[in-house]
Amino acid sequence: KAGVTQTPRYLIKTRGQQVTLSCSPISGHRSVSWYQQTPGQGLQFLFEYFSETQRNKGNFPGRFSGRQFSNSRSEMNVSTLELGDSALYLCASRRNSGANVLTFGAGSRLTVL
Amino acid sequence: AQKITQTQPGMFVQEKEAVTLDCTYDTSDPSYGLFWYKQPSSGEMIFLIYQGSYDQQNATEGRYSLNFQKARKSANLVISASQLGDSAMYFCAMRESGETSYDKVIFGPGTSLSVIP
Repeated sequence: KAGVTQTPRYLIKTRGQQVTLSCSPISGHRSVSWYQQTPGQGLQFLFEYFSETQRNKGNFPGRFSGRQFSNSRSEMNVSTLELGDSALYLCASRRNSGANVLTFGAGSRLTVL
Repeated sequence: AQKITQTQPGMFVQEKEAVTLDCTYDTSDPSYGLFWYKQPSSGEMIFLIYQGSYDQQNATEGRYSLNFQKARKSANLVISASQLGDSAMYFCAMRESGETSYDKVIFGPGTSLSVIP
C-alpha cells in the first residue's frame, strides 16, 4: 500500500512569506503528526490531528498551524517565515492516537532566505 | 516533564561487529512505549523496533534487539553484525501522555552511527 506522501519535497521562501505543506497519510490511518527537524533542536513535536481535531500541540508559536480534512489528509501552515524556520518538516501517520508505530513520510525541506 | 537522553552523539563500529546505542528516558507514566527509528542521509525516518512498558521480554526484530531495563529506565538498541547500510542517525523515541488525554511521541537527540569497512 502507498506510504505517507509529503509535498512539496523542497521549497525556498523568503522571510515574511508564508508556506503550506501537505501530508497524505497511509490509507486507513486517521492520525497525522507533524515534526520539525533542525540540526540544533533535533526532532520537535509540532501537533497531532485525529479525525479533523487537533489532539496535541507542541511548544511552537502561533505562526505554526495545521488542519486535517475529512479524508485524513493534513496541511500545516507557517506564516511570517523567519530564518529559523528553515528545517525538515516530517509528517507521520498512525491508525489511531493509541496506535504505537508512526510511519513517516520523506519530509519537506524548507529553506528560508 | 518526560524526556529522552541519548548520550552518544557519534559512534563508530567495524563492519560485522555488534554495537549498542544508549537511550535513557524519564517518565512518571506507568504505561508507555519505546521506539527506535533510523534516519539515513535521505531523511526518511524508518521504524526499527518497539517495546511496551509492560512487555515481559525484550523486543527483537532481525538484527535489532532492544535491551529494556525498566528499573534503570534504559532502552538500548543493539545492532548485531553491522552492515555498511546501517550508517545513519538513530533516534530513541517514547510514547508519552500529552497535555490532553491523548498520547504523543517524542524523540531523543539521536546518535550518528558510522560503519567502517
